Amino acid sequence: EDKVVQSPLSLVVHEGDTVTLNCSYEVTNFRSLLWYKQEKKAPTFLFMLTSSGIEKKSGRLSSILDKKELFSILNITATQTGDSAVYLCAVWANFGNEKLTFGTGTRLTIIP
Amino acid sequence: KAGVTQTPRYLIKTRGQQVTLSCSPISGHRSVSWYQQTPGQGLQFLFEYFSETQRNKGNFPGRFSGRQFSNSRSEMNVSTLELGDSALYLCASSLGASTTDTQYFGPGTRLTVL
Repeated sequence: EDKVVQSPLSLVVHEGDTVTLNCSYEVTNFRSLLWYKQEKKAPTFLFMLTSSGIEKKSGRLSSILDKKELFSILNITATQTGDSAVYLCAVWANFGNEKLTFGTGTRLTIIP
Repeated sequence: KAGVTQTPRYLIKTRGQQVTLSCSPISGHRSVSWYQQTPGQGLQFLFEYFSETQRNKGNFPGRFSGRQFSNSRSEMNVSTLELGDSALYLCASSLGASTTDTQYFGPGTRLTVL
């Protein structure tokens, strides 16, 4: 069975700190890894990663994938209170009937 | 451009009933995926439709079904509702296949089964 594990489960930091969120996976026939931010309602797409070692960046957020070690990290620098949210990692796997498996998420709280 | 819309936003049903949820994707998007989110199980993939065909399916029983119309609008049906079906049901649309294209989520339908 495909597994996606995120750590830590929750994290509380002060505004301005840098955080690193982790996502490890065990899936059959990896296709891509996605990061989402979920505040109160629907998730918002952040990144899709398919190639190992290539960093994706968007403002203060960046992410990288290591397909050899089967993990990804999401970095947020100079955190702001608006970064408070649950960050979800998900992996597309399999060929033919692709399945998307989500991790349980990391709840990030930024203290002003 | 209008975002993904889902109707209804809230629904209360009783055990044994059936329910149909609707999702209208962003204009021009051809793929619609459905997800179930519960506090216990988190976010789980139900299925994906692309050009009126089911492309991918998660590990849910046959009581969960869906379809997509020629205008890309999609419906999801759950028959013989159980208490455990209470959840937030999200749909997401993408221009092409969801495995390669960015997905945009709708606000969700909150289903409560009594």
